Amino acid sequence: EAGVAQSPRYKIIEKRQSVAFWCNPISGHATLYWYQQILGQGPKLLIQFQNNGVVDDSQLPKDRFSAERLKGVDSTLKIQPAKLEDSAVYLCASSLAWLTEAFFGQGTRLTVV
Amino acid sequence: GESVGLHLPTLSVQEGDNSIINCAYSNSASDYFIWYKQESGKGPQFIIDIRSNMDKRQGQRVTVLLNKTVKHLSLQIAATQPGDSAVYFCAETYNNAGNMLTFGGGTRLMVKP
Repeated sequence: EAGVAQSPRYKIIEKRQSVAFWCNPISGHATLYWYQQILGQGPKLLIQFQNNGVVDDSQLPKDRFSAERLKGVDSTLKIQPAKLEDSAVYLCASSLAWLTEAFFGQGTRLTVV
Repeated sequence: GESVGLHLPTLSVQEGDNSIINCAYSNSASDYFIWYKQESGKGPQFIIDIRSNMDKRQGQRVTVLLNKTVKHLSLQIAATQPGDSAVYFCAETYNNAGNMLTFGGGTRLMVKP
């Protein structure tokens, strides 16, 4: 079974620039999550989709972050404009149903300089 | 390579010994718990889970213990191997949270050969 795919693996941008990350979840997984993991910390949920609808985005900085999951499969996360404190690994995960394990991709490491 | 977990608590064990990693959770409503293993440069990988109607669950070389009275979770790894070296996170959720996982701060496990 193919895992969660993310791209790019690494991205370096200057502050105030824009960046987008892409995620392809495991086939058949209705729930998709974007997490932000700052160095030395546990992942923090940014947004959760159930099919193409948003379940929770309470921790998403909506003034600069946006995410969409068109057609309920792939998802993109965008940051515009980026700040230095956005430097982190952005992890995408998917799960099949409620209260089941979430499978994570390898993440995109973003460095804002 | 990247230095993940610079400020994480660290557990150092000898190869072949048993390891115990602890986690305290705060939400008494949490009813599903997962342990994840994260190696440097990779996304979190599922190890074992437990639901709140259980107090112990065993997998291959791993055991999770849940004490709901004191809101404490532990991961026991038997006969620890060098390949077990990683950062370990506990995560919790509850049925009404829509499967939104909240991660703990993580513990770095270092296995000495």
